[in-house]
Amino acid sequence: AQTVTQSQPEMSVQEAETVTLSCTYDTSESDYYLFWYKQPPSRQMILVIRQEAYKQQNATENRFSVNFQKAAKSFSLKISDSQLGDAAMYFCAYQAGETSGSRLTFGEGTQLTVNP
Amino acid sequence: EPEVTQTPSHQVTQMGQEVILRCVPISNHLYFYWYRQILGQKVEFLVSFYNNEISEKSEIFDDQFSVERPDGSNFTLKIRSTKLEDSAMYFCASSDGRNNQPQHFGDGTRLSIL
Repeated sequence: AQTVTQSQPEMSVQEAETVTLSCTYDTSESDYYLFWYKQPPSRQMILVIRQEAYKQQNATENRFSVNFQKAAKSFSLKISDSQLGDAAMYFCAYQAGETSGSRLTFGEGTQLTVNP
Repeated sequence: EPEVTQTPSHQVTQMGQEVILRCVPISNHLYFYWYRQILGQKVEFLVSFYNNEISEKSEIFDDQFSVERPDGSNFTLKIRSTKLEDSAMYFCASSDGRNNQPQHFGDGTRLSIL
C-alpha cells in the first residue's frame, strides 16, 4: 500500500520570505501522480500544484514550485514571496497512475503560519 | 469554472439516526469520490464510484455506509445508525478519470453526531 509522510506538523514563515514543506512517499509503482492541496480555515480543499512522475521537470505554478526527487521518493513544495493568504494546512497527496480514477492518499498535513 | 457542490454545509444528527450527504459533481465528470476528515487528522478515502457502481472502497467503508447516484446529477453518501465517531468533515470530489487531471473537491459537509 502507498503511504505519504509529512514530517513537519507545523511551519512558519515571514511574509515575503520563502518556505519549503517536505513530503515523502512510498510506492512500488512507476506510474503515479503527486499533488499538493491547500486547506484554509474554511476547510475547503484547493489544488495548489501537481506533478506527473514520468516528467523530470519540476512543476511550477506562479509562486509555488516543487522539488520532485523520484529516486528518493521526495516531493517538497516551495512557496516563494509568502503572503498572508498562504496561511493554511497543506496536504501532500499521491495517486496511482495505472488505473483510471484511483484514490488519493494524503499525508498528515503541515500547518503553515505566515507572520506579518 | 465548474464546481462540486455539497449540501448541507453542516448537519447535526442524533446518534443512531441515518444521514444522507448530498453532492453535485461537475457535469462532465465520470468518477465520484467521498473522503472523510476527522478534526485534526488527515483526509481519508472512503469510496469511489464509476459507471453506477463502486469502483474502490476503503476498510472504513463498511456496511454502515452506502453511495448512490439517484439521478443524473446527484451523488449521495448515506450513513446508517450513526455513531459518535462518524463526526467529521465529509468531502465529495469528482474527476474526469484521467489521472493527469486532478480531483475537484467540494467545500465539505461538517457532520456532528450528538
